[in-house]
Amino acid sequence: ILNVEQSPQSLHVQEGDSTNFTCSFPSSNFYALHWYRWETAKSPEALFVMTLNGDEKKKGRISATLNTKEGYSYLYIKGSQPEDSATYLCASQRSGGYQKVTFGTGTKLQVIP
Amino acid sequence: DTEVTQTPKHLVMGMTNKKSLKCEQHMGHRAMYWYKQKAKKPPELMFVYSYEKLSINESVPSRFSPECPNSSLLNLHLHALQPEDSALYLCASSQDPIYYEQYFGPGTRLTVT
Repeated sequence: ILNVEQSPQSLHVQEGDSTNFTCSFPSSNFYALHWYRWETAKSPEALFVMTLNGDEKKKGRISATLNTKEGYSYLYIKGSQPEDSATYLCASQRSGGYQKVTFGTGTKLQVIP
Repeated sequence: DTEVTQTPKHLVMGMTNKKSLKCEQHMGHRAMYWYKQKAKKPPELMFVYSYEKLSINESVPSRFSPECPNSSLLNLHLHALQPEDSALYLCASSQDPIYYEQYFGPGTRLTVT
């Protein structure tokens, strides 16, 4: 895989449901994987930066896992709330050009009350 | 203060105009970034300044000219733009260019007529 890809593109869930989505990224020369949340009319907000294979990070009801060998990360939201509605972006940083962060196209989550 | 500010919020300019976008942060971050974001696409990196020096230029046309007068300020000078340059321009900063999360401003919505 050469690009950063996210799936699904969009997702509707009921309030209270748990959900997850995927980010696939180049596994070669991996340096770091970022997750951001972007609410409409606001700035993207950093959720996690992960660097180690097998890493798991948690922030409230949101958690993420990382597999650098196969090049994927999952983002989980437990008990979705309407305020979780946003676009979730992942971004890959590769060594060599480590200052460059390449974003995926995002997963747009809509939580229905 | 964990805020990145950008001015103006909206800008409409003709193809012969010269204008500038401004970005400011007071978090002591040493890396600053310009991104361009078109509708339904991920943010696309344009420039990276690291310790006030331009370290990445992603083959951006010369009608976009970045400037970093000091560690808190980042400008993007615009001249002779094309209608296809209409987009949301996002500024971001991070503690260091290596793997730290980025803090984004709200963006400038640019329309070129």
